Amino acid sequence: RKEVEQDPGPFNVPEGATVAFNCTYSNSASQSFFWYRQDCRKEPKLLMSVYSSGNEDGRFTAQLNRASQYISLLIRDSKLSDSATYLCVVTPLRGGSYIPTFGRGTSLIVHP
Amino acid sequence: DTGVSQDPRHKITKRGQNVTFRCDPISEHNRLYWYRQTLGQGPEFLTYFQNEAQLEKSRLLSDRFSAERPKGSFSTLEIQRTEQGDSAMYLCASSSGAVGNNYGYTFGSGTRLTVV
Repeated sequence: RKEVEQDPGPFNVPEGATVAFNCTYSNSASQSFFWYRQDCRKEPKLLMSVYSSGNEDGRFTAQLNRASQYISLLIRDSKLSDSATYLCVVTPLRGGSYIPTFGRGTSLIVHP
Repeated sequence: DTGVSQDPRHKITKRGQNVTFRCDPISEHNRLYWYRQTLGQGPEFLTYFQNEAQLEKSRLLSDRFSAERPKGSFSTLEIQRTEQGDSAMYLCASSSGAVGNNYGYTFGSGTRLTVV
């Protein structure tokens, strides 16, 4: 079983739609959690950190469920510019260090 | 420029040649990570430095791969006797802080390696 699992998609949604992604992780001792966005042939960029209490940044809401070992990302009122790959990042303890570990990413395509 | 810099941006090499990539992290970041990414996959962890100490290496890092961070600042990743399967984007990231970092990791633009 992979340490971090994501549905690769693609998720194909119209502008204005609400879309949600989930990500599951296997190491319960993981410390920090993030969502990153990656555009085609570019480096990943931090979208938001994820907390158990949930956090919101404009149209984006992230949630961590430690008991079930998953994190989620909700995008409301999708824009064409939201089209990208969304990478889930978890930091399991590996050999004494917390190592950021990525899922394979979920592709989002927002169409007019 | 206060971001993470990687050099070169692109490298084409013949199979069997050695290549070396450089990463300059954000100056106040003491943690540095190397990743490899192929099409349709997320970045795969290769190795991690805290200051000049290499604290963790992935099983992916065969004996043809070596990384250094001699003074705790820039880092180099060398691949010896390159193979076609080494073709990928090599990404470097840096971060500050300790356990429970909630500020994330900043990536460089990557070095795209093509082995022909």
